[in-house]
Amino acid sequence: ETGVTQTPRHLVMGMTNKKSLKCEQHLGHNAMYWYKQSAKKPLELMFVYNFKEQTENNSVPSRFSPECPNSSHLFLHLHTLQPEDSALYLCASSQDGSGRYNEQFFGPGTRLTVL
Amino acid sequence: SQKIEQNSEALNIQEGKTATLTCNYTNYSPAYLQWYRQDPGRGPVFLLLIRENEKEKRKERLKVTFDTTLKQSLFHITASQPADSATYLCALENSGYSTLTFGKGTMLLVSP
Repeated sequence: ETGVTQTPRHLVMGMTNKKSLKCEQHLGHNAMYWYKQSAKKPLELMFVYNFKEQTENNSVPSRFSPECPNSSHLFLHLHTLQPEDSALYLCASSQDGSGRYNEQFFGPGTRLTVL
Repeated sequence: SQKIEQNSEALNIQEGKTATLTCNYTNYSPAYLQWYRQDPGRGPVFLLLIRENEKEKRKERLKVTFDTTLKQSLFHITASQPADSATYLCALENSGYSTLTFGKGTMLLVSP
């Protein structure tokens, strides 16, 4: 609907697993973002990519590893996660991460549960 | 420290009334502010953007005001409908970084 798709929509993993979240945008945008949304907390910006280059890493633990192979695709690789990492992970895109006044288009999110 | 405050309690109103949601901020000097709508289990959807030199912005039944002196934005939905029930998020630009910081959001419940 928004032009940003995320897979999987739901993911349950153990603390020793390795998994990846995928995001794809069909809007021709040049900036992509990963956010974490936990219950009762505001959206937390994790990573920003602008023209495939990482421009922001908000002190995210190394167990989260982003990858942006091109302007349309964004991945979040997960390994040895903790139960407190359980949350809704949202991907977003905008026209240009270095421009101003750009609204962001969000995907539906991946609901992650870490056992 | 920087802070964005939105009413944490849900706002309950009757259909047809005007809903007013508040976003207050401290230690920010945003060039603009955005409002988003989020339905349960889904990603936020952009609604409106207002710049620091704009006092008011309208889009259909939506109206946003921005008072940089009071450090406050008000978001109004006129003639509210049950379909307007959702959580509404305000987001401020991080000066010079072109990224956004979001408030926790306010849940709006419109009853028939």
